[in-house]
Amino acid sequence: GQQVMQIPQYQHVQEGEDFTTYCNSSTTLSNIQWYKQRPGGHPVFLIQLVKSGEVKKQKRLTFQFGEAKKNSSLHITATQTTDVGTYFCAGLAGSNYKLTFGKGTLLTVNP
Amino acid sequence: EAGVVQSPRYKIIEKKQPVAFWCNPISGHNTLYWYRQNLGQGPELLIRYENEEAVDDSQLPKDRFSAERLKGVDSTLKIQPAELGDSAVYLCASSLGLRGGTEAFFGQGTRLTVV
Repeated sequence: GQQVMQIPQYQHVQEGEDFTTYCNSSTTLSNIQWYKQRPGGHPVFLIQLVKSGEVKKQKRLTFQFGEAKKNSSLHITATQTTDVGTYFCAGLAGSNYKLTFGKGTLLTVNP
Repeated sequence: EAGVVQSPRYKIIEKKQPVAFWCNPISGHNTLYWYRQNLGQGPELLIRYENEEAVDDSQLPKDRFSAERLKGVDSTLKIQPAELGDSAVYLCASSLGLRGGTEAFFGQGTRLTVV
């Protein structure tokens, strides 16, 4: 079945440093979604990418969808303590339109 | 606008006992999901409804888990009997569109502990 892998599993940075998490799918995706889950909270939608090679920005966050629609990345510029949490990618694929989540990258930020 | 509402927030039961979770999705949302999330893991899909129809229940352990979506709105997820390995957070989510094309809104989840 479809697998979505994320690396790294954990990332600790100093406030102001950049952060990137990578997502790779075993199958070609129809779209990819990114979610953020704060400690003790529930996943909150950040963005959806649909087109091959698509790049979207939200303030300090930059999201990319690979040309082959099998990989994606999230880059945060100049991290802040409010960026702490687990970032999940979720890939949509297959004739049954299944949304599969990766295991997430836990970001901690040292002030 | 109210978000996805789940109850209870926490549940502790002994193994072999039954348990039920309830979810009220955002009004007008056609798709409803039940996910299970273990500590340090991503959400794993248990079942997806489009309106009243369960369109993907391939990962629902049907020997002990059951779900229903009443009139295409509220949903319940039941486990009978519960096992120790069922301890997890059960998340309900809903989305406006069908076939995964729109964002999913998650509820706060029900944290189940089986002892």
